[in-house]
Amino acid sequence: GENVEQHPSTLSVQEGDSAVIKCTYSDSASNYFPWYKQELGKRPQLIIDIRSNVGEKKDQRIAVTLNKTAKHFSLHITETQPEDSAVYFCAASPKRGSSASKIIFGSGTRLSIRP
Amino acid sequence: EAQVTQNPRYLITVTGKKLTVTCSQNMNHEYMSWYRQDPGLGLRQIYYSMNVEVTDKGDVPEGYKVSRKEKRNFPLILESPSPNQTSLYFCASSPDTTWGTQYFGPGTRLLVL
Repeated sequence: GENVEQHPSTLSVQEGDSAVIKCTYSDSASNYFPWYKQELGKRPQLIIDIRSNVGEKKDQRIAVTLNKTAKHFSLHITETQPEDSAVYFCAASPKRGSSASKIIFGSGTRLSIRP
Repeated sequence: EAQVTQNPRYLITVTGKKLTVTCSQNMNHEYMSWYRQDPGLGLRQIYYSMNVEVTDKGDVPEGYKVSRKEKRNFPLILESPSPNQTSLYFCASSPDTTWGTQYFGPGTRLLVL
């Protein structure tokens, strides 16, 4: 079945350095790729997303890149800050026509920012 | 205030005792979904709904039922809970079909003994 693999499962970086989280998906029909951030004890929140007709998208310190040929996408966080510490989830969804369909999540990356 | 509410927030029950977790949204969203979150497994979609009376299975539907009789409500039903359904459950609603801009509820932590 459809699968999204996410690596690494844990990541520790020095404050101010960059962090990169990578995901690989199996369903070639996937065309929408959101990223969520979940702080301890809180609900997930969308931080950035990308659609299959775009190769890269940036929002301040956060960027996402997509390689459809290789079926992988990555989250890049630059100039990391303590408030970036959280669990990050990637996801992939194959939008079919005007109907909703499943969304498959990766297993998560726990990012810790060292002061 | 735009929000998704879930009840109860915490529940301890015993194997086989039917339970319902309610979910309600006040944003008039057509799309709603249930997820379970387990350590090391991330979020897994249980069921989703595209509109009233329209539901479909997600990745892990076994042991769960849902209904969508009204647009705002999407209850999750466990007819005969088992210990492997111990988990953190999130309900979410979305204004679009791609699920990206999902509004998550606060979560329901369920323990099945």
